[in-house]
Amino acid sequence: QQQVKQSPQSLIVQKGGISIINCAYENTAFDYFPWYQQFPGKGPALLIAIRPDVSEKKEGRFTISFNKSAKQFSLHIMDSQPGDSATYFCAASSPSGSRLTFGEGTQLTVNP
Amino acid sequence: KAGVTQTPRYLIKTRGQQVTLSCSPISGHRSVSWYQQTPGQGLQFLFEYFSETQRNKGNFPGRFSGRQFSNSRSEMNVSTLELGDSALYLCASSSADGTGRDTQYFGPGTRLTVL
Repeated sequence: QQQVKQSPQSLIVQKGGISIINCAYENTAFDYFPWYQQFPGKGPALLIAIRPDVSEKKEGRFTISFNKSAKQFSLHIMDSQPGDSATYFCAASSPSGSRLTFGEGTQLTVNP
Repeated sequence: KAGVTQTPRYLIKTRGQQVTLSCSPISGHRSVSWYQQTPGQGLQFLFEYFSETQRNKGNFPGRFSGRQFSNSRSEMNVSTLELGDSALYLCASSSADGTGRDTQYFGPGTRLTVL
């Protein structure tokens, strides 16, 4: 019930392309869904987050799409750049505390 | 504001030893959480401290413990180290507004290697 499933494990796109990472959750108590970006040797950094009362949130080139009935959410990176090459984690938390449950991570490579 | 700092950044220990890791949260943040990151298990929640009290605990054995001081700084301790404890240990702080939706800011982590 606490799991968050993330796919794909790795993704290679060309510069200017669209990167899409998908996540699915089981626990209906989750009500906050952040995405984190992690570069080698660094800790994860918040990229964008969404709450289940909206179906989409956009910040610059990054968009989260959220499907509450399917218990799925996804990250779209438009106009992908080599500097976007990193590991991306989806996560979820419930109102009971600050505990984040993370997906397995997606290693994104954007070729120039 | 300075970010989350963790010390030391790298640590090498042998099986059976114990280790203490330190985390200084962002100024004003009262919640500190600890996570273990490994290639096989990914990012897993260890525990969260808020106002010197453990508020949440993950599914780790009792060898993993922590505490928080009155200035919100936190330490985690791992006793009787095992090879499988080799990991990146991440600390995250948040303002903890009580909704579970506040942003968690991560430090760079402490890379622990157990030989």
